[in-house]
Amino acid sequence: QQPVQSPQAVILREGEDAVINCSSSKALYSVHWYRQKHGEAPVFLMILLKGGEQKGHEKISASFNEKKQQSSLYLTASQLSYSGTYFCGTGAGGTSYGKLTFGQGTILTVHP
Amino acid sequence: GAGVSQTPSNKVTEKGKYVELRCDPISGHTALYWYRQSLGQGPEFLIYFQGTGAADDSGLPNDRFFAVRPEGSVSTLKIQRTERGDSAVYLCASSLPGTGGTGELFFGEGSRLTVL
Repeated sequence: QQPVQSPQAVILREGEDAVINCSSSKALYSVHWYRQKHGEAPVFLMILLKGGEQKGHEKISASFNEKKQQSSLYLTASQLSYSGTYFCGTGAGGTSYGKLTFGQGTILTVHP
Repeated sequence: GAGVSQTPSNKVTEKGKYVELRCDPISGHTALYWYRQSLGQGPEFLIYFQGTGAADDSGLPNDRFFAVRPEGSVSTLKIQRTERGDSAVYLCASSLPGTGGTGELFFGEGSRLTVL
């Protein structure tokens, strides 16, 4: 089952904050966040694991609520370079560590 | 280069033809994944290789799709009797196996397939 992301799109001015949510109907082992700019490859932002471990880039923060099967990505003091489509991917764990089910994406646009 | 390399970057073919898409992963990454991304959608898992073997091919849509990785490095995704619905960007990603590293998938820029 595909996770559901909200909102579908966000428009910000530089310096503003945003939160992107990812919700799943299935129990989660891990949540992975990626950003993709138009015509480019998705780029890893963060992974959140069941049990509270997080790995990712220092300037990105996110939360993982295992009970609610939800994750949120926090973008603070946005920059123009933050523009792109953000995808959450949910993992079932096991040996297929990178086998992810991605949401439909959230389009973030940051204006000067 | 240091990243995941995919060729061709663009492929236009006619319905019913056979196509091959190639992926050259990052050196030392034993795990390799193929995803398919339709316009406006997130990537959709197709198949996962650990070394030379397909560890999980549950995402392949039907038997027209097949992938190989004979020497544990370069992989080829093969599509027979292409259909217009196969049109998409095919993404390849590699990673360290299991929980090695950060769990990060390194994606290539993809092969855009258009079936006329």
